[in-house]
Amino acid sequence: AAGVIQSPRHLIKEKRETATLKCYPIPRHDTVYWYQQGPGQDPQFLISFYEKMQSDKGSIPDRFSAQQFSDYHSELNMSSLELGDSALYFCASTYGLIYDGYTFGSGTRLTVV
Amino acid sequence: DQQVKQNSPSLSVQEGRISILNCDYTNSMFDYFLWYKKYPAEGPTFLISISSIKDKNEDGRFTVFLNKSAKHLSLHIVPSQPGDSAVYFCAASVTSGTYKYIFGTGTRLKVLA
Repeated sequence: AAGVIQSPRHLIKEKRETATLKCYPIPRHDTVYWYQQGPGQDPQFLISFYEKMQSDKGSIPDRFSAQQFSDYHSELNMSSLELGDSALYFCASTYGLIYDGYTFGSGTRLTVV
Repeated sequence: DQQVKQNSPSLSVQEGRISILNCDYTNSMFDYFLWYKKYPAEGPTFLISISSIKDKNEDGRFTVFLNKSAKHLSLHIVPSQPGDSAVYFCAASVTSGTYKYIFGTGTRLKVLA
């Protein structure tokens, strides 16, 4: 079965550069959530989209922006990268706003040097 | 302020015995809870959920117990298997919201053969 696809798997950027992370949800899923997991930390909710509209916003820095496109894939854009942005970035998808556990992708590991 | 806490960062259990992972939360508005399992370099995988209208949910070897008065939930794995070795996160949500989950800090379970 198709899963949530995230690209790239690994990304190395220098401080003050920009990065774009992509998330392709499971087919027919219309809701995407982004989480950030720092080293030794729990996943923190960043932002979510339902039917291409932002549905909720968490602890996402102003330097970050995201959107969901017509094919329901989502991109997380990160500018003016800082060392503290080094983390695993997960996206998850569901169909509609449902309660049950959603499916996570394998994550993108971003390293800022 | 950590709204969802897993006070044991690690746990070792012999194969065949019971593993008990604990989770405490502070927000009384939480009404839906999940457990996720995470292997290195992979996204979290949904294990089992429980709604606040229940105090127990069982799925095979996995049982989740919820004590609302104590704001405590636990995951029991019986019998434990070496393949269960992973990091386990509990997560909580307010279902009247937009279904973002607040994660605990995780417990690393090691099942010894």
